[in-house]
Amino acid sequence: QQQVKQSPQSLIVQKGGISIINCAYENTAFDYFPWYQQFPGKGPALLIAIRPDVSEKKEGRFTISFNKSAKQFSLHIMDSQPGDSATYFCAASRNGGYQKVTFGTGTKLQVIP
Amino acid sequence: KAGVTQTPRYLIKTRGQQVTLSCSPISGHRSVSWYQQTPGQGLQFLFEYFSETQRNKGNFPGRFSGRQFSNSRSEMNVSTLELGDSALYLCASRIAGGADTQYFGPGTRLTVL
Repeated sequence: QQQVKQSPQSLIVQKGGISIINCAYENTAFDYFPWYQQFPGKGPALLIAIRPDVSEKKEGRFTISFNKSAKQFSLHIMDSQPGDSATYFCAASRNGGYQKVTFGTGTKLQVIP
Repeated sequence: KAGVTQTPRYLIKTRGQQVTLSCSPISGHRSVSWYQQTPGQGLQFLFEYFSETQRNKGNFPGRFSGRQFSNSRSEMNVSTLELGDSALYLCASRIAGGADTQYFGPGTRLTVL
């Protein structure tokens, strides 16, 4: 019940296209859903995060869509650029106390010119 | 503000040895979590410390241990190293527990020969 399932495992998108990464969770107690971006040789960096009281959050070219009833959330990267090529992780956690953060398995995105 | 720092960045050990990794959180952050990242398993939670006390623990054998000091710096120790312990070990800090945003360090790449 603590799992977060992420797909696809890898993604190739042309420059200017839309990259879409999906995640699904089971634990309805999760109430914080961040996305992390990781470049080779670096630690993951927070990209954007959403809480379940909103269905969408946009920051620049990055948008999270959240579907509470389906227990799914997704990351959309608009106008994808070669510099967006990285591994993306979704995650989920519960508020309160010291609940661990559960990560998806990651999506390796390659944006080709 | 300086980010999360981890030392050393790279480490090569042989089976049976033990290793200690160090993490300095962002100034003012009192919670430190450790993760193991491998290509096959993704990001797996090891443990979280707050106020020098372990608050949460993942499913790793007792060979993996940690501690936190009064200045919030943390160390992680792995004893009797196995080949399968080869991984990127990431430290993440946050202000406190709950759903606060985690900030990751660059990681320590451990290779066990």
